[in-house]
Amino acid sequence: QKEVEQNSGPLSVPEGAIASLNCTYSDRGSQSFFWYRQYSGKSPELIMFIYSNGDKEDGRFTAQLNKASQYVSLLIRDSQPSDSATYLCAGGRDYNTDKLIFGTGTRLQVFP
Amino acid sequence: ETGVTQSPTHLIKTRGQQVTLRCSSQSGHNTVSWYQQALGQGPQFIFQYYREEENGRGNFPPRFSGLQFPNYSSELNVNALELDDSALYLCASSLDRGVGEQFFGPGTRLTVL
Repeated sequence: QKEVEQNSGPLSVPEGAIASLNCTYSDRGSQSFFWYRQYSGKSPELIMFIYSNGDKEDGRFTAQLNKASQYVSLLIRDSQPSDSATYLCAGGRDYNTDKLIFGTGTRLQVFP
Repeated sequence: ETGVTQSPTHLIKTRGQQVTLRCSSQSGHNTVSWYQQALGQGPQFIFQYYREEENGRGNFPPRFSGLQFPNYSSELNVNALELDDSALYLCASSLDRGVGEQFFGPGTRLTVL
């Protein structure tokens, strides 16, 4: 069983719509979660991190964490074609020695 | 730009050879993590270095080894290259050890023939 799971997509949304990206994790000890965006042929870029249950907003992005359901999501409001990329979810325990576990990513396509 | 640099950008090797990849961390960061990303997969954790000491290792064989220098730059060495080692190798720099916010360099694309 993969520790962090994501639907590989592609998720296709029209420009201006809300894109909803989801991630589940199996390790109940995971405390810290990160969303990275990766354009084709490029390295991952950190978008947001979330440690507490609930919502965290940053501009057009909202991360949501539900530890009871072991579920993390990323909402992108007013989606733009430039948001088309693969979105990677990653999680880890809050120890100093733990490693970050990545999902395989969800490919998002925003069409005009 | 994250301020994290990696060299070389691309590399082609043959099976059995050895390779060294290099990473310079962002200014003020003392931790470097290395990841392997195969095509269509998420990054897989290789190991992390904190203040010149290894601080955790993923499920990679001993032929993957690393080093961190006093200026916090780092090297990843892979011996006895195998075809499956072909991947994008990423280093990530962070302010402290563990799973805190990590900022990736551009990566090194390794092809093993």
